This record gives sequence, structure tokens and C-alpha cells, in this order.
Amino acid sequence: GAVVSQHPSRVICKSGTSVKIECRSLDFQATTMFWYRQFPKKSLMLMATSNEGSKATYEQGVEKDKFLINHASLTLSTLTVTSAHPEDSSFYICSARPWETSTDTQYFGPGTRLTVL
Amino acid sequence: AQKVTQAQTEISVVEKEDVTLDCVYETRDTTYYLFWYKQPPSGELVFLIRRNSFDEQNEISGRYSWNFQKSTSSFNFTITASQVVDSAVYFCALSEAGSNYKLTFGKGTLLTVNP
Repeated sequence: GAVVSQHPSRVICKSGTSVKIECRSLDFQATTMFWYRQFPKKSLMLMATSNEGSKATYEQGVEKDKFLINHASLTLSTLTVTSAHPEDSSFYICSARPWETSTDTQYFGPGTRLTVL
Repeated sequence: AQKVTQAQTEISVVEKEDVTLDCVYETRDTTYYLFWYKQPPSGELVFLIRRNSFDEQNEISGRYSWNFQKSTSSFNFTITASQVVDSAVYFCALSEAGSNYKLTFGKGTLLTVNP
């Protein structure tokens, strides 16, 4: 159990376009989802915390207008990279926290590799 | 200040050697959790262990063992008789009650096990 999926797994887009990444909890409900970003050979950095039915909380230095997060249901959160530029190329990973378990538990998705040309 | 420090950026060993990955953390919370994750080249994070701040018992799982010492704020990870398949980046992470259990990752240690 506790499977989190991400779609797409890889995406290549042109500079200036917007890209949407989906994060789904497949067999549990998640009131909270997290979005991380990982540059090559670097660590995971938390971008934002997404709570179902409310606005996301962004970490310092993350542009909320550039990285739009929507958590419309208990099983789906989306991250939209708006007007993508080459410097947005990165590995984006989501995680989901089941509402019925302890607050520290997170299950990670497989990640989405974004390349902006 | 860095909350999770993995001082070893890269480690290279020969198969069957034992290897220890170091992790030192910093927190003011009395309630916190420590984690180790493995990230193979595919990129997907593989959960290895979760330990809460009230449980200092060391743990062994097959070839893996973990040494949690609150006195030195360390949570080290040892792989015994390493195998080529153990080659990956290993991350230590901390979640604190005071930060709503958000995960803070260390910079990771790239382990290469050579045949």
C-alpha cells in the first residue's frame, strides 16, 4: 500500500511554455502533499506544502506565481511551472502524508524530470 | 545553520567491504524523526528507516544497521558486506514537531561499490 504516482515521468518543453505535473496518492487519502525540487547531484529542497482545499504554503525563495500548486482533492495535487525557462530544468518529486497516520509519515512519488529547452 | 550534515560527499568501496555513512543533525525539538533514504540512478527515493527521538535502540535489517546516538546527535548508517546494487546516493533526513514535520534533507552521500 501507500503508493504515490507522478505524471508525467519525463517532460521536455520549450522555453516560455507551462508544464503541469500531477501527484496522486493511489490507495490512501492525503490531506497534505509536499513538492520538492532536486538539481543534479544536489539534495532535495522543499518547495511548498500543499493542503487539500486551501492555499499552498511556499518555502522562502520559491516564487508562488511561477510554481502554481493546486490540491483540489484528497488524492491529487498538481504543480504547474509557468513560463518555464531552462533554469527550471530539474527533478521534481512529490510526497503525500496520509491523513489517518502519524504526522511525520510521507510517501514519495517516483519524480518528474523536467527539461526546458 | 545546516540541520542535517552528511560530511561524506562520496565514498567508494570494493564489494564485500563494510561501509558507514555518517549523519549529524541539529534540532531544538524534543520530538523529532530521523530517516534514511536511498536514491538509485533512476531517481526514485527508497525509504530505508524511520526512527523517533524517543527510541535510541539501534536497528539491524539484513545487511543494514543504524546507530542512533542522541548524545552526539548522530544517526549513522552501516552497510555490511556491500554489494554493487548498493551503489546509490543516500540521504539522511530530519523532521521536527516544531516545523510541522517537514522533511529537511542532508546533501547526500554518493556510494559507489566496485566489483
